Amino acid sequence: GEDVEQSLFLSVREGDSSVINCTYTDSSSTYLYWYKQEPGAGLQLLTYIFSNMDMKQDQRLTVLLNKKDKHLSLRIADTQTGDSAIYFCAEAFYGNNRLAFGKGNQVVVIP
Amino acid sequence: NAGVMQNPRHLVRRRGQEARLRCSPMKGHSHVYWYRQLPEEGLKFMVYLQKENIIDESGMPKERFSAEFPKEGPSILRIQQVVRGDSAAYFCASSPQGTTETQYFGPGTRLLVL
Repeated sequence: GEDVEQSLFLSVREGDSSVINCTYTDSSSTYLYWYKQEPGAGLQLLTYIFSNMDMKQDQRLTVLLNKKDKHLSLRIADTQTGDSAIYFCAEAFYGNNRLAFGKGNQVVVIP
Repeated sequence: NAGVMQNPRHLVRRRGQEARLRCSPMKGHSHVYWYRQLPEEGLKFMVYLQKENIIDESGMPKERFSAEFPKEGPSILRIQQVVRGDSAAYFCASSPQGTTETQYFGPGTRLLVL
């Protein structure tokens, strides 16, 4: 089934690292995504990882995937005030075009 | 290259009226997806369309909701006889091809039903 769970709120000081977690229940997912949503805006694709990978690094972003535990995390290094937003993880399934989203994790960066 | 465009950005309707939401995909993209975000929730898939075809409408409510993506012009999500529970943000996404292609999202239309 399509059931993606995320924790709800994280506050972090500017310059520190922040880690956002996501769990999912469907092992048939192909790609897993992280999207960022700023207030009143649409979703901005941050990064994605293919399900046969364990880790992907993209500048300040590191994605870790633990398929055994169905756990996905996003680490943001040197967090900036512009990183304040809601972060959604989403999964896509082979042969299925829909994305299943978590409820989102609000990150507040304290200057 | 313009991104996915949606209009209007905000729409207010009274109960019983019709709401029409428009989505223009990114240039070169022929696949469109509609998602709904209820307050404090994640996005829920509604429908997936290609030009002139509905491919997957398994997330659409059975009544009052319809979607189209004509050969010419934007994709339209139409909600007839709106009720207060339809108040939400409606997001459109597009991709160049279908399965597993990354979806790029528009800014959304925020519908408020009074």
